[in-house]
Amino acid sequence: SQQGEEDPQALSIQEGENATMNCSYKTSINNLQWYRQNSGRGLVHLILIRSNEREKHSGRLRVTLDTSKKSSSLLITASRAADTASYFCASPLSSNTGKLIFGQGTTLQVKP
Amino acid sequence: DVKVTQSSRYLVKRTGEKVFLECVQDMDHENMFWYRQDPGLGLRLIYFSYDVKMKEKGDIPEGYSVSREKKERFSLILESASTNQTSMYLCASSLRSAGGATEAFFGQGTRLTVV
Repeated sequence: SQQGEEDPQALSIQEGENATMNCSYKTSINNLQWYRQNSGRGLVHLILIRSNEREKHSGRLRVTLDTSKKSSSLLITASRAADTASYFCASPLSSNTGKLIFGQGTTLQVKP
Repeated sequence: DVKVTQSSRYLVKRTGEKVFLECVQDMDHENMFWYRQDPGLGLRLIYFSYDVKMKEKGDIPEGYSVSREKKERFSLILESASTNQTSMYLCASSLRSAGGATEAFFGQGTRLTVV
């Protein structure tokens, strides 16, 4: 069972543009996390947003969380070619476990 | 620098072989995970361990078993490798927290090919 579903599956933009990726999840959560994966490598944690937060920023990243709609979005502003990667959202399967379930990911290509 | 280390980056095994994938973390994390990643399917959880000798099945445990005899080491075992287990395998670890899942740290992945 996939906890998170990302949308779109693939995104291609020009350098300097903003990229927005969306994630929907199924169960109640304590937090939602976003990860990045460069081709053929392990995942790297980007940002964690707690269920009582609505928005969080980290550098050029902005994450929003809407618990009423069970959805989150990741915005990358002023994108660079080096942002080309796959992006995944992840959340616990239930509120009281460390078991982390990932979505299918969004593949972002930033063209120079 | 925190580290999750997987024993092999690339592995080629024959059908029917028993295969061991090893993962070691140096962060004293309680939680450890094994995922497999296939194109178009994202990351799927195979097994999760929240303490030594404790484990929970993930979404796709069939054909796999795990071992966690020491806190820092989590092994994935393919009892009898089959070609449909050709995949990228990712190990991860995280701290146990009363506040829910915490940041996970990933290894570099093992690309397993079963021929």
